[in-house]
Amino acid sequence: ETGVTQTPRHLVMGMTNKKSLKCEQHLGHNAMYWYKQSAKKPLELMFVYSLEERVENNSVPSRFSPECPNSSHLFLHLHTLQPEDSALYLCASSQGTSGGAGGELFFGEGSRLTVL
Amino acid sequence: GQNIDQPTEMTATEGAIVQINCTYQTSGFNGLFWYQQHAGEAPTFLSYNVLDGLEEKGRFSSFLSRSKGYSYLLLKELQMKDSASYLCAVMGSGGYQKVTFGTGTKLQVIP
Repeated sequence: ETGVTQTPRHLVMGMTNKKSLKCEQHLGHNAMYWYKQSAKKPLELMFVYSLEERVENNSVPSRFSPECPNSSHLFLHLHTLQPEDSALYLCASSQGTSGGAGGELFFGEGSRLTVL
Repeated sequence: GQNIDQPTEMTATEGAIVQINCTYQTSGFNGLFWYQQHAGEAPTFLSYNVLDGLEEKGRFSSFLSRSKGYSYLLLKELQMKDSASYLCAVMGSGGYQKVTFGTGTKLQVIP
């Protein structure tokens, strides 16, 4: 139990569907992240939110749309995805400071997405 | 840009010691992390180094040389439960907003 909860854990969707991934953190952290994890590839940073403001968008296609309504919740809205988008999507949170280990990431269990 | 290299796979024997290396080239440096990820689970924090030297935490130790762009994770008295992927990650000049991960080293511990 890391204090970061993701739902759903598994999602299968067609290319024309619209779905959302949800993340909630109970750690009082100020920063939240979406990462994509594909087989044999490094964790890819997608989005970073600090105090509900998006501070990083790592050239992610517009078919992925993040939303951070407050510092505890983060969503990833998905629409018209491609089969190559199939991956494990990890949410994480951190204190949101670069001093010391303030950048330590606390990850959720991930949402395994399959696009047919 | 940022580049992080670590071996893809390693195998070691239960009870032995294993060293997992990580080399990096980054624009700026604000610290290096090691994470452990068991199959089907979330990555979990193991260590953080920002100054040169060795940080020891129980059976696990992490070393950093900033001048060489090099770190290693040392696991002692290996147990079967240590079979996992070990991810090296660097916090560059972008600070906490820009943590870059290596591909991870999959460690298999055998009896």
